[in-house]
Amino acid sequence: RKEVEQDPGPFNVPEGATVAFNCTYSNSASQSFFWYRQDCRKEPKLLMSVYSSGNEDGRFTAQLNRASQYISLLIRDSKLSDSATYLCVVNDRGSTLGRLYFGRGTQLTVWP
Amino acid sequence: DADVTQTPRNRITKTGKRIMLECSQTKGHDRMYWYRQDPGLGLRLIYYSFDVKDINKGEISDGYSVSRQAQAKFSLSLESAIPNQTALYFCATSDTRQGWTGELFFGEGSRLTVL
Repeated sequence: RKEVEQDPGPFNVPEGATVAFNCTYSNSASQSFFWYRQDCRKEPKLLMSVYSSGNEDGRFTAQLNRASQYISLLIRDSKLSDSATYLCVVNDRGSTLGRLYFGRGTQLTVWP
Repeated sequence: DADVTQTPRNRITKTGKRIMLECSQTKGHDRMYWYRQDPGLGLRLIYYSFDVKDINKGEISDGYSVSRQAQAKFSLSLESAIPNQTALYFCATSDTRQGWTGELFFGEGSRLTVL
């Protein structure tokens, strides 16, 4: 069983749409959660951390549900530049510090 | 210039050849990692290093070895390359000296093809 599961998509949405991605993780002891963004043929980069109370960064909102072991990312008012693959990432407290488990990614295409 | 530099960026080789991928960083970070990325499988950890004297296996270390020559350098070797090691390889760093934010800083990747 994979540590982190994501719907691979692809999600194809028009500019201005709201889109949500979901992710589940298997280890209930997991401590830290993140969303990374990866553009085509590029390296992944941190988009935002996910806090227990939920957090927002501009058009992006991340939510964590520990009881259901579920993480979400909401993108409002989608832009063409949001087209990328979004990686759900979990730090497993049971492993040595600093090890991250990556989901397979959800591909988003925003069209004009 | 990139803070995390990988060489070579692209390499085509034959089965059985020895290959080394090199990574250097100018960020002064203590930890370094090697990941591979395959379509549909996501990023998987090969090896990671907390410092020069500390090397650890990741999820898929078989067939690979690493060397942390200095704090700034971490190389990945394939002693005898095989076709299923064809993948995109990423080096990454993190800074845990003042706690850790969870952010990894990736190089631009090395695309390896084994024929």
